Amino acid sequence: KAGVTQTPRYLIKTRGQQVTLSCSPISGHRSVSWYQQTPGQGLQFLFEYFSETQRNKGNFPGRFSGRQFSNSRSEMNVSTLELGDSALYLCASSLETGGTEAFFGQGTRLTVV
Amino acid sequence: GESVGLHLPTLSVQEGDNSIINCAYSNSASDYFIWYKQESGKGPQFIIDIRSNMDKRQGQRVTVLLNKTVKHLSLQIAATQPGDSAVYFCAENRPGYSTLTFGKGTMLLVSP
Repeated sequence: KAGVTQTPRYLIKTRGQQVTLSCSPISGHRSVSWYQQTPGQGLQFLFEYFSETQRNKGNFPGRFSGRQFSNSRSEMNVSTLELGDSALYLCASSLETGGTEAFFGQGTRLTVV
Repeated sequence: GESVGLHLPTLSVQEGDNSIINCAYSNSASDYFIWYKQESGKGPQFIIDIRSNMDKRQGQRVTVLLNKTVKHLSLQIAATQPGDSAVYFCAENRPGYSTLTFGKGTMLLVSP
């Protein structure tokens, strides 16, 4: 079956703009988690959605938001982009909430200039 | 603070050797652990997981060992191949938390 699909793969944005990233989980998976990966900070948890509800949120400013649709697809949005938001944004899907057996997509490489 | 960390940032081995990647975790309440492999330009790939009610779990060429007494996790890769070259992350999950906490990663370099 198809894995986790993230679009777009690459994105270049200007400071102050906003961006929306998309994640389609593995079919049947209801939990979607988002992570930010940078060389300095490693993988950091952003938020998790399960059955269209945000279950948990990491320590990121309110500029980072997300949502999940009834088909489990998820989007995350970053407003008022800063240079420091440049990172690989990864989405992971799980059958159930709880972080178990989480499978990742290829990520979206966001560059803010 | 509570974290998952790795002892060795870089591990260099020869093809055919066995590799051991280590991970320390600080939260004794963690009950689920995953090892991921991440190749350059790709997302983390699920390798193997283990629950805290087990000490050892084997997969294809990989074995994960869990020592709860010293809160240590290791990933053993048998007959390491150049294709195993990647960054390896361990991640932990704590009961009641719907997230994974990741270590910083270990780079495994396999020479032909």
